[in-house]
Amino acid sequence: KQEVTQIPAALSVPEGENLVLNCSFTDSAIYNLQWFRQDPGKGLTSLLLIQSSQREQTSGRLNASLDKSSGRSTLYIAASQPGDSATYLCAVRNYGQNFVFGPGTRLSVLP
Amino acid sequence: NAGVMQNPRHLVRRRGQEARLRCSPMKGHSHVYWYRQLPEEGLKFMVYLQKENIIDESGMPKERFSAEFPKEGPSILRIQQVVRGDSAAYFCASSPPSVSTDTQYFGPGTRLTVL
Repeated sequence: KQEVTQIPAALSVPEGENLVLNCSFTDSAIYNLQWFRQDPGKGLTSLLLIQSSQREQTSGRLNASLDKSSGRSTLYIAASQPGDSATYLCAVRNYGQNFVFGPGTRLSVLP
Repeated sequence: NAGVMQNPRHLVRRRGQEARLRCSPMKGHSHVYWYRQLPEEGLKFMVYLQKENIIDESGMPKERFSAEFPKEGPSILRIQQVVRGDSAAYFCASSPPSVSTDTQYFGPGTRLTVL
């Protein structure tokens, strides 16, 4: 059974810092991995989708990497801004299965 | 192209009442997924439907919960005889028909409060 964990649970940084969010999963036979952002009281916004054959994906200031063999993914946020404050969720999909979500990292970027 | 729509956004029910949550997928999407997010917990998969078919309901509680996605109209998640433990945010997601494992697009959620 796939289990997903995220570290840290919460993170508070000053504006402008580069930061890394971590996601770990127990079953490395994944189909893809997706990072989402959730704002308070809102739905989820897809940030990056990494297929199992890929090592990383980039979108603007965001970069997500995937190391299947070690069961890890990282989300790198460059030059953080207060608007980046949200909960970041990692979700993993195995073949023929549905997404399994991590508990999230709650990020606060202070102006 | 409107995103995934869910209504109502907030729903209050008393114990024992029924809750009906609606989800309209993005235009052209025929795959619908329902997730539940309990307070201070992550999202948990409940059910995956295609038009008129339940594909995977492994995450659905065995009693009181049901889901449908009719040929016409929105997908409905129905909770009968609600209890306080059903209080949560319920999210719907949709994906296009070509690849069921593609990215999922999420709605804003329905926040159910059971008094």
